Amino acid sequence: DGGITQSPKYLFRKEGQNVTLSCEQNLNHDAMYWYRQDPGQGLRLIYYSQIVNDFQKGDIAEGYSVSREKKESFPLTVTSAQKNPTAFYLCASSNDGVGSNQPQHFGDGTRLSIL
Amino acid sequence: AQKITQTQPGMFVQEKEAVTLDCTYDTSDPSYGLFWYKQPSSGEMIFLIYQGSYDQQNATEGRYSLNFQKARKSANLVISASQLGDSAMYFCAMSLGVYNQGGKLIFGQGTELSVKP
Repeated sequence: DGGITQSPKYLFRKEGQNVTLSCEQNLNHDAMYWYRQDPGQGLRLIYYSQIVNDFQKGDIAEGYSVSREKKESFPLTVTSAQKNPTAFYLCASSNDGVGSNQPQHFGDGTRLSIL
Repeated sequence: AQKITQTQPGMFVQEKEAVTLDCTYDTSDPSYGLFWYKQPSSGEMIFLIYQGSYDQQNATEGRYSLNFQKARKSANLVISASQLGDSAMYFCAMSLGVYNQGGKLIFGQGTELSVKP
């Protein structure tokens, strides 16, 4: 079945450590997105990419980095500069990033916690 | 500034009854899309329904309908015949249609719906 796969489901980070969250999609979507969700809150955009080898910062990009070397993959690195990384991270993709009528399809998320 | 407001942190509804979840939005862009997503306790986001700013009729998808009132900038979700499985967080979101927006979604804070048997 087509979909978005995020791994791992749970991740723990030590102080000063970088960690990378994986996001893979087999929907052949051009656009991919990373969101952060804090308890009881809505989603906030971290980074997005409309095409391979190109990406833009979202509203809360500080302390995060991404790459888009392949159409199907959009990994997110949470760097040591992100002082409050504990959150639920959701990856999404859509068929046409420039349009407003394409629903984004989401993965099952990764829960990141500080050790 | 673009913004989505959901004023109901939590709602209760009796099984088999209808419920309306409120959503108001703010944007000066004439082209935009409005989405509703459901998030069960497991965390995944499930797309429910979409309404475009130029659509003349209210969107419907099965038991879900969107009450779109453009002049009031509201896009309320109506769930008919509630089921126990409808218990979840519901998020209203807006995407902006101009080409430099990249299809970004702006989310509201969410409404937690609990369906009582």
